[in-house]
Amino acid sequence: GAGVSQSPSNKVTEKGKDVELRCDPISGHTALYWYRQSLGQGLEFLIYFQGNSAPDKSGLPSDRFSAERTGGSVSTLTIQRTQQEDSAVYLCASSPGGPGENIQYFGAGTRLSVL
Amino acid sequence: DQQVKQNSPSLSVQEGRISILNCDYTNSMFDYFLWYKKYPAEGPTFLISISSIKDKNEDGRFTVFLNKSAKHLSLHIVPSQPGDSAVYFCAARTADSWGKLQFGAGTQVVVTP
Repeated sequence: GAGVSQSPSNKVTEKGKDVELRCDPISGHTALYWYRQSLGQGLEFLIYFQGNSAPDKSGLPSDRFSAERTGGSVSTLTIQRTQQEDSAVYLCASSPGGPGENIQYFGAGTRLSVL
Repeated sequence: DQQVKQNSPSLSVQEGRISILNCDYTNSMFDYFLWYKKYPAEGPTFLISISSIKDKNEDGRFTVFLNKSAKHLSLHIVPSQPGDSAVYFCAARTADSWGKLQFGAGTQVVVTP
């Protein structure tokens, strides 16, 4: 099983708590992406990492959201002081990286429910 | 600002017939377009893509057509099979922000026997 792995698959939290979502990309992929999908909506870009370059954070909705990628592999998306509107499926993807015909491969996602 | 739009939330088609899914976009700087398929509780799976320098790309039962002047692309599935029942997303990116895919809201396809 060499696909993108995300954990946990489901997370229920209380409003105001912090949560961490984890993503293990496909081995050898240098680029990693985070998206979220709210109910009935398309995927919304959050952030992407490419190698050692500064990440593109232009999609993060507020400063409560942050992400890091350690050692060029595993990534963690952190949401501080969660709000009910943060409830969504958070999807991670990875790709070999670089421009050109760059296909992103997605994990199954983490379903976050904020009560 | 929704730059990629899928105006049909659902589509029902009989097995063996053609499914045509449509996607419109507003950003003339998009240079690469992709279609993804998504089953419930799974992540999106890449289906087919097309570069802006082409107007057609075919892969088995799936063909994507791009009309740049109309800022429109479509996905044809021929013949449709029950296993094609899923949500289909259109996505696009610009060359200067190649990692940032912009997605449409999706079209739910149901293929009936």
